[in-house]
Amino acid sequence: DQQVKQNSPSLSVQEGRISILNCDYTNSMFDYFLWYKKYPAEGPTFLISISSIKDKNEDGRFTVFLNKSAKHLSLHIVPSQPGDSAVYFCAASLRNAGNNRKLIWGLGTSLAVNP
Amino acid sequence: EADIYQTPRYLVIGTGKKITLECSQTMGHDKMYWYQQDPGMELHLIHYSYGVNSTEKGDLSSESTVSRIRTEHFPLTLESARPSHTSQYLCASSEYSGGTEAFFGQGTRLTVV
Repeated sequence: DQQVKQNSPSLSVQEGRISILNCDYTNSMFDYFLWYKKYPAEGPTFLISISSIKDKNEDGRFTVFLNKSAKHLSLHIVPSQPGDSAVYFCAASLRNAGNNRKLIWGLGTSLAVNP
Repeated sequence: EADIYQTPRYLVIGTGKKITLECSQTMGHDKMYWYQQDPGMELHLIHYSYGVNSTEKGDLSSESTVSRIRTEHFPLTLESARPSHTSQYLCASSEYSGGTEAFFGQGTRLTVV
């Protein structure tokens, strides 16, 4: 049973428009959420994160919104650029019984930004 | 620029061979991780280490083993490769536990024939 779900496997957006990538989670114990970006044949790179005590975090063209009551977060990219074309992974973190942090990953959404 | 390196990038090897996937980082991170990812599937944690001489199994059972004799080095070994081990293996390190804001290597794509 997936605890972190990215229900859209792919998304296509026109350059200059907004890209919205969605992520849903089921475990209310998650207290930290991250987005990673992955180009083909490379490892994921950290993009932006948000603590569960916040509902918004912004970094340049990237903004993450968190709706705890809906157990939903989204990544907004404005304006989208062709170089943003990549697979975007949502990940959620919680402390386990041993007080160590555990990271659960979504399946990813492949974003294509068309010129 | 992240300083974590994996070698080889690609490896095609025959069944039954012993292989070691190398992972090194120069950031002085205590926490290091190995993930496995099959095409279209999520990243699964197979091993992690919180410091020298500390290694733990991850969420996904794996026949591989790891060692952490030095902070900067976290190799993964398969004693006898099988076609079912064909996958992409990603190494990561972080300053904080749980892979939070982890830095990833470029990955090793392993094919066992």
